[in-house]
Amino acid sequence: DGGITQSPKYLFRKEGQNVTLSCEQNLNHDAMYWYRQDPGQGLRLIYYSQIVNDFQKGDIAEGYSVSREKKESFPLTVTSAQKNPTAFYLCASRAITGNTIYFGEGSWLTVV
Amino acid sequence: GENVEQHPSTLSVQEGDSAVIKCTYSDSASNYFPWYKQELGKGPQLIIDIRSNVGEKKDQRIAVTLNKTAKHFSLHITETQPEDSAVYFCAARGNAGGTSYGKLTFGQGTILTVHP
Repeated sequence: DGGITQSPKYLFRKEGQNVTLSCEQNLNHDAMYWYRQDPGQGLRLIYYSQIVNDFQKGDIAEGYSVSREKKESFPLTVTSAQKNPTAFYLCASRAITGNTIYFGEGSWLTVV
Repeated sequence: GENVEQHPSTLSVQEGDSAVIKCTYSDSASNYFPWYKQELGKGPQLIIDIRSNVGEKKDQRIAVTLNKTAKHFSLHITETQPEDSAVYFCAARGNAGGTSYGKLTFGQGTILTVHP
């Protein structure tokens, strides 16, 4: 099936540990995005990438890092510097010539 | 940067009634306005979108209207059904060629509940 796969679905980590969320897409999309969603709030952009080996900070990049070594992959690392990492994380992608942004099913991260 | 405000935050209707959700945006250069539906624990799904050169678009029971002068756009759902219950998000995207191109700014979301 074509689409965006995020893993793991649920992740628990201790405070102070880094954690990496995986995002893979087989849609041949050039652009990829990471959003964070907190209860009762809209989606906020963390990082985005429009081509391989290039990415830009979004509105809330502090405490996060990304890489874009392959077109189909855009992993997100939540570092210990992120003060409130517990949230629902959504990966998305878009064809560079299209308008529609497609979302994965999300990853729940809980830091205790 | 772009700022999108969405109202109401919660909306409760009876099955068969209409539901309207409204959004305003701040950047007059924004040119693309999608609406997403999100079910519990899942990623948002696009339900309808509109470009800035169009005033209204319909797809069966849902429609979106855009007023560029006032910088607001609305989602209309007619003949609501219980399966329409979900969180709905509006969004706005910056103009091509700018550094914000491709970035969507989302509203805060509306929890729609349709009672049987």
